[in-house]
Amino acid sequence: DTAVSQTPKYLVTQMGNDKSIKCEQNLGHDTMYWYKQDSKKFLKIMFSYNNKELIINETVPNRFSPKSPDKAHLNLHINSLELGDSAVYFCASSQVLAGGLEQYFGPGTRLTVT
Amino acid sequence: ELKVEQNPLFLSMQEGKNYTIYCNYSTTSDRLYWYRQDPGKSLESLFVLLSNGAVKQEGRLMASLDTKARLSTLHITAAVHDLSATYFCAGFINTGTASKLTFGTGTRLQVTL
Repeated sequence: DTAVSQTPKYLVTQMGNDKSIKCEQNLGHDTMYWYKQDSKKFLKIMFSYNNKELIINETVPNRFSPKSPDKAHLNLHINSLELGDSAVYFCASSQVLAGGLEQYFGPGTRLTVT
Repeated sequence: ELKVEQNPLFLSMQEGKNYTIYCNYSTTSDRLYWYRQDPGKSLESLFVLLSNGAVKQEGRLMASLDTKARLSTLHITAAVHDLSATYFCAGFINTGTASKLTFGTGTRLQVTL
């Protein structure tokens, strides 16, 4: 069974469009994250949710809106896509409150904005 | 704010040789992680280092942590082609309600025959 899954794996779209990426974890973790990996492979956290509550918002443009319908899901909606949004987006999860050590990453969604 | 720097950014080494990747971080970090990423793939956790002097080994890779120097190293022994990948270190801060990883720039390792 896949621990952290994301859909879609690839997303190609035009500037100005709105798109969503979905993430699900079946590990029973309390915290989920979105990371962005740019073309130079630099990885940076965007958001963190703990039990459906937004905990970290790393000065991401408000065109990016995460939504957590329940503990197992964290979706990322992006409005008015720009060329600079092209990147690989990784979802991750961890069990923070019980002191879990590992952060498990999903397979990534490669977003290309043309 | 925690900042994490790795060097080198790119490393080309021959099979059978040894080398070390360095990871410096700017402020106290609760833990230090090492990840591996193959091209087009996700991140695979290699090591979690929790305390000063921690050393962990898996196969040809050995990671260590010196919290006083704010330095972690990933040592590669007798490199083989299969180790070619990008390696990231990441510092971790947990404030109780919020926790996050701050990644280094990554080191792209290429092992040649």
